[in-house]
Amino acid sequence: GENVEQHPSTLSVQEGDSAVIKCTYSDSASNYFPWYKQELGKRPQLIIDIRSNVGEKKDQRIAVTLNKTAKHFSLHITETQPEDSAVYFCAASGELGGGADGLTFGKGTHLIIQP
Amino acid sequence: DVKVTQSSRYLVKRTGEKVFLECVQDMDHENMFWYRQDPGLGLRLIYFSYDVKMKEKGDIPEGYSVSREKKERFSLILESASTNQTSMYLCASSLDRGSYEQYFGPGTRLTVT
Repeated sequence: GENVEQHPSTLSVQEGDSAVIKCTYSDSASNYFPWYKQELGKRPQLIIDIRSNVGEKKDQRIAVTLNKTAKHFSLHITETQPEDSAVYFCAASGELGGGADGLTFGKGTHLIIQP
Repeated sequence: DVKVTQSSRYLVKRTGEKVFLECVQDMDHENMFWYRQDPGLGLRLIYFSYDVKMKEKGDIPEGYSVSREKKERFSLILESASTNQTSMYLCASSLDRGSYEQYFGPGTRLTVT
Protein backbone atom coordinates (compact mmCIF):
# COMPACT_ATOMS: atom_id res chain seq x y z
CA GLY A 1 0.00 0.00 0.00
CA GLU A 2 0.84 3.67 -0.04
CA ASN A 3 3.38 5.10 2.41
CA VAL A 4 3.71 8.84 3.08
CA GLU A 5 6.71 10.31 4.89
CA GLN A 6 6.54 13.87 6.25
CA HIS A 7 9.34 16.14 7.49
CA PRO A 8 10.06 17.85 9.75
CA SER A 9 7.96 16.73 12.70
CA THR A 10 8.35 20.15 14.34
CA LEU A 11 9.12 23.46 12.64
CA SER A 12 9.64 26.74 14.44
CA VAL A 13 9.87 29.96 12.39
CA GLN A 14 9.83 33.66 13.14
CA GLU A 15 6.65 35.53 12.35
CA GLY A 16 6.88 36.89 8.82
CA ASP A 17 9.33 34.23 7.63
CA SER A 18 8.47 31.36 5.28
CA ALA A 19 7.81 27.76 6.27
CA VAL A 20 8.28 24.67 4.11
CA ILE A 21 7.00 21.18 4.90
CA LYS A 22 7.99 18.23 2.71
CA CYS A 23 6.38 14.89 1.99
CA THR A 24 7.31 11.86 -0.08
CA TYR A 25 5.02 9.07 -1.24
CA SER A 26 5.69 5.56 -2.47
CA ASP A 27 2.85 4.65 -4.86
CA SER A 28 3.30 6.12 -8.31
CA ALA A 29 -0.43 5.52 -8.98
CA SER A 30 -1.44 8.12 -6.36
CA ASN A 31 -3.02 11.11 -8.04
CA TYR A 32 -4.34 13.45 -5.35
CA PHE A 33 -2.33 15.23 -2.64
CA PRO A 34 -4.15 17.35 -0.06
CA TRP A 35 -2.81 19.31 2.89
CA TYR A 36 -4.82 19.57 6.10
CA LYS A 37 -4.42 22.00 8.98
CA GLN A 38 -5.47 20.94 12.45
CA GLU A 39 -5.64 23.45 15.27
CA LEU A 40 -5.57 22.21 18.83
CA GLY A 41 -8.79 20.41 19.73
CA LYS A 42 -10.33 20.91 16.30
CA ARG A 43 -11.01 18.79 13.25
CA PRO A 44 -8.61 18.71 10.28
CA GLN A 45 -9.47 21.30 7.62
CA LEU A 46 -8.36 21.15 4.01
CA ILE A 47 -6.20 24.16 3.14
CA ILE A 48 -4.94 23.29 -0.32
CA ASP A 49 -4.68 20.29 -2.63
CA ILE A 50 -3.07 19.35 -5.91
CA ARG A 51 -3.70 16.67 -8.50
CA SER A 52 -1.04 14.76 -10.35
CA ASN A 53 -1.53 16.63 -13.63
CA VAL A 54 -0.43 19.93 -12.04
CA GLY A 55 3.03 20.92 -10.84
CA GLU A 56 2.18 23.87 -8.61
CA LYS A 57 -0.84 25.54 -7.07
CA LYS A 58 -1.13 28.76 -5.08
CA ASP A 59 -3.76 30.26 -2.82
CA GLN A 60 -2.71 33.59 -1.35
CA ARG A 61 0.13 32.85 1.12
CA ILE A 62 -0.02 29.09 0.62
CA ALA A 63 1.43 27.08 -2.23
CA VAL A 64 1.96 23.41 -2.95
CA THR A 65 4.45 21.93 -5.42
CA LEU A 66 4.48 18.40 -6.77
CA ASN A 67 7.32 16.47 -8.38
CA LYS A 68 5.84 13.24 -9.75
CA THR A 69 9.15 11.88 -10.96
CA ALA A 70 10.72 12.14 -7.52
CA LYS A 71 7.40 11.37 -5.78
CA HIS A 72 7.51 14.29 -3.43
CA PHE A 73 5.37 17.32 -2.72
CA SER A 74 5.80 20.33 -0.48
CA LEU A 75 3.74 22.96 1.32
CA HIS A 76 5.04 26.53 1.32
CA ILE A 77 3.64 29.19 3.62
CA THR A 78 4.93 32.73 3.14
CA GLU A 79 4.71 35.70 5.51
CA THR A 80 3.76 33.45 8.39
CA GLN A 81 1.35 34.75 11.02
CA PRO A 82 0.50 33.58 14.56
CA GLU A 83 -2.72 31.98 13.33
CA ASP A 84 -0.65 29.67 11.12
CA SER A 85 0.46 27.82 14.25
CA ALA A 86 -1.06 24.33 14.02
CA VAL A 87 -0.32 20.76 13.02
CA TYR A 88 -0.18 20.23 9.26
CA PHE A 89 -0.75 16.88 7.58
CA CYS A 90 0.04 15.89 4.04
CA ALA A 91 -1.80 12.99 2.43
CA ALA A 92 -2.01 10.97 -0.77
CA SER A 93 -4.95 9.29 -2.43
CA GLY A 94 -5.32 5.55 -2.44
CA GLU A 95 -3.92 3.14 -4.98
CA LEU A 96 -7.06 3.25 -7.07
CA GLY A 97 -7.26 7.02 -7.05
CA GLY A 98 -10.67 8.56 -7.38
CA GLY A 99 -12.81 10.28 -4.81
CA ALA A 100 -14.05 7.13 -3.11
CA ASP A 101 -10.73 5.98 -1.69
CA GLY A 102 -9.34 6.83 1.68
CA LEU A 103 -6.26 8.94 2.21
CA THR A 104 -2.86 7.90 3.51
CA PHE A 105 -1.56 10.60 5.82
CA GLY A 106 1.88 11.67 6.89
CA LYS A 107 2.57 11.83 10.60
CA GLY A 108 2.18 15.57 10.82
CA THR A 109 4.29 18.69 11.32
CA HIS A 110 3.79 20.92 14.32
CA LEU A 111 4.36 24.45 13.01
CA ILE A 112 5.20 27.02 15.66
CA ILE A 113 5.24 30.72 14.75
CA GLN A 114 7.49 32.67 17.08
CA PRO A 115 6.45 36.31 17.68
CA ASP B 1 -21.70 24.04 4.57
CA VAL B 2 -21.04 20.36 4.89
CA LYS B 3 -21.85 19.10 8.32
CA VAL B 4 -20.35 15.88 9.66
CA THR B 5 -21.34 15.03 13.21
CA GLN B 6 -20.24 12.31 15.57
CA SER B 7 -22.39 10.97 18.38
CA SER B 8 -19.98 11.63 21.25
CA ARG B 9 -16.98 13.90 21.84
CA TYR B 10 -15.72 11.79 24.74
CA LEU B 11 -16.38 8.15 25.57
CA VAL B 12 -15.02 5.90 28.31
CA LYS B 13 -15.50 2.14 28.00
CA ARG B 14 -14.19 -0.95 29.74
CA THR B 15 -12.07 -3.67 28.18
CA GLY B 16 -14.23 -6.26 26.45
CA GLU B 17 -17.23 -4.00 25.92
CA LYS B 18 -18.85 -3.64 22.51
CA VAL B 19 -18.56 -0.02 21.40
CA PHE B 20 -20.51 1.84 18.73
CA LEU B 21 -19.28 5.13 17.26
CA GLU B 22 -21.79 6.91 15.07
CA CYS B 23 -21.20 9.38 12.27
CA VAL B 24 -23.83 11.32 10.34
CA GLN B 25 -23.42 13.66 7.36
CA ASP B 26 -26.17 15.89 6.04
CA MET B 27 -24.97 16.60 2.49
CA ASP B 28 -25.99 13.42 0.69
CA HIS B 29 -22.36 12.32 0.33
CA GLU B 30 -21.75 8.89 -1.14
CA ASN B 31 -18.39 8.20 0.50
CA MET B 32 -17.70 7.91 4.22
CA PHE B 33 -14.53 7.08 6.11
CA TRP B 34 -13.29 6.21 9.58
CA TYR B 35 -9.78 7.16 10.73
CA ARG B 36 -8.02 6.96 14.04
CA GLN B 37 -5.55 9.61 15.11
CA ASP B 38 -2.71 8.93 17.53
CA PRO B 39 0.09 11.31 18.57
CA GLY B 40 3.10 10.93 16.31
CA LEU B 41 1.28 8.55 13.97
CA GLY B 42 -1.01 10.90 12.07
CA LEU B 43 -4.36 9.67 10.81
CA ARG B 44 -4.77 6.06 9.77
CA LEU B 45 -7.63 4.70 7.70
CA ILE B 46 -9.70 1.97 9.36
CA TYR B 47 -12.62 1.41 6.97
CA PHE B 48 -14.45 3.27 4.25
CA SER B 49 -17.69 2.95 2.33
CA TYR B 50 -18.62 4.27 -1.10
CA ASP B 51 -22.26 3.17 -1.02
CA VAL B 52 -24.97 1.92 1.30
CA LYS B 53 -24.18 -1.58 2.57
CA MET B 54 -20.74 -1.43 0.93
CA LYS B 55 -17.53 -1.39 2.93
CA GLU B 56 -13.82 -1.59 2.22
CA LYS B 57 -10.95 -2.28 4.59
CA GLY B 58 -8.44 0.46 5.14
CA ASP B 59 -4.92 0.13 6.49
CA ILE B 60 -5.76 -0.97 10.07
CA PRO B 61 -9.14 -2.81 10.09
CA GLU B 62 -8.23 -5.43 12.70
CA GLY B 63 -10.49 -5.29 15.74
CA TYR B 64 -13.06 -3.09 14.00
CA SER B 65 -16.15 -3.52 11.86
CA VAL B 66 -18.50 -1.03 10.22
CA SER B 67 -22.11 -0.69 9.23
CA ARG B 68 -23.75 1.52 6.66
CA GLU B 69 -27.48 0.88 6.49
CA LYS B 70 -28.37 4.41 5.39
CA LYS B 71 -26.50 6.78 3.14
CA GLU B 72 -26.08 9.48 5.77
CA ARG B 73 -24.89 7.24 8.62
CA PHE B 74 -21.68 5.26 9.03
CA SER B 75 -21.02 3.35 12.24
CA LEU B 76 -17.72 2.04 13.58
CA ILE B 77 -17.98 -0.98 15.86
CA LEU B 78 -15.39 -2.25 18.29
CA GLU B 79 -16.55 -5.81 18.92
CA SER B 80 -14.50 -6.24 22.09
CA ALA B 81 -12.74 -3.05 23.12
CA SER B 82 -9.10 -3.26 24.14
CA THR B 83 -6.80 -0.70 25.73
CA ASN B 84 -4.80 -0.31 22.51
CA GLN B 85 -7.94 1.05 20.88
CA THR B 86 -7.80 4.12 23.10
CA SER B 87 -7.57 6.88 20.51
CA MET B 88 -9.22 9.81 18.74
CA TYR B 89 -11.63 8.55 16.08
CA LEU B 90 -12.42 10.81 13.14
CA CYS B 91 -15.18 10.31 10.62
CA ALA B 92 -15.06 11.94 7.18
CA SER B 93 -17.19 12.10 4.05
CA SER B 94 -16.78 13.09 0.42
CA LEU B 95 -19.36 13.75 -2.27
CA ASP B 96 -18.79 10.99 -4.83
CA ARG B 97 -16.12 9.12 -6.81
CA GLY B 98 -15.25 12.25 -8.77
CA SER B 99 -14.81 14.39 -5.67
CA TYR B 100 -11.62 14.22 -3.71
CA GLU B 101 -12.11 16.60 -0.78
CA GLN B 102 -12.92 14.90 2.50
CA TYR B 103 -14.79 16.72 5.26
CA PHE B 104 -14.09 15.68 8.81
CA GLY B 105 -16.27 15.38 11.88
CA PRO B 106 -15.17 16.78 15.26
CA GLY B 107 -13.86 13.44 16.49
CA THR B 108 -14.62 11.08 19.37
CA ARG B 109 -11.96 10.60 22.01
CA LEU B 110 -12.36 7.03 23.20
CA THR B 111 -10.67 5.78 26.34
CA VAL B 112 -10.72 2.05 27.06
CA THR B 113 -9.84 1.16 30.65
